[in-house]
Amino acid sequence: TQLLEQSPQFLSIQEGENLTVYCNSSSVFSSLQWYRQEPGEGPVLLVTVVTGGEVKKLKRLTFQFGDARKDSSLHITAAQPGDTGLYLCAVVLSYNTDKLIFGTGTRLQVFP
Amino acid sequence: GAGVSQSPSNKVTEKGKDVELRCDPISGHTALYWYRQSLGQGLEFLIYFQGNSAPDKSGLPSDRFSAERTGGSVSTLTIQRTQQEDSAVYLCASSFAPGWNTEAFFGQGTRLTVV
Repeated sequence: TQLLEQSPQFLSIQEGENLTVYCNSSSVFSSLQWYRQEPGEGPVLLVTVVTGGEVKKLKRLTFQFGDARKDSSLHITAAQPGDTGLYLCAVVLSYNTDKLIFGTGTRLQVFP
Repeated sequence: GAGVSQSPSNKVTEKGKDVELRCDPISGHTALYWYRQSLGQGLEFLIYFQGNSAPDKSGLPSDRFSAERTGGSVSTLTIQRTQQEDSAVYLCASSFAPGWNTEAFFGQGTRLTVV
């Protein structure tokens, strides 16, 4: 079983539509990150959320950390073709080492 | 450049051969990670180096996989006796320091194809 489950796995929408993707776990985390990966590139950090219930906005992207710090959502308003990519959530596991673990990913395709 | 550099960008190898993948992290970054990504899916953790500490090898899928980091900088991921299921994109990342608020910077990856 995956530590971080993301849904949906795939999403195809038309330009201008709104969407929400989710990152869920049964574990509690001190923080959570969202990355975006474009084809042929490595992931790039979008945001880090720290406090339960925290909401962060990055232009048309809104990120929320769950109150219990077990889950997070990413909402995109008026999606653009440039939003196309693989969206990954990630957490630092600090049991023995501070390794960075990624979720299963949501692949978003926005059509003009 | 100032980013994470990986080489080669593409590697085609025959089943049973050994391969070495190289990662040059950003100068000054103490943490270095290797991940495997199959068919554009999520990132599978392989190994993590932090400073002079013993590496976290908990993600290596078999004893055919090994990695080292020389002088706290360049890292090499070695896959011995490659199998077709090893075909994937191997991504390397580095960060300034470990911890919850650190940003991982990724290379463009090495696409490995085992034929």
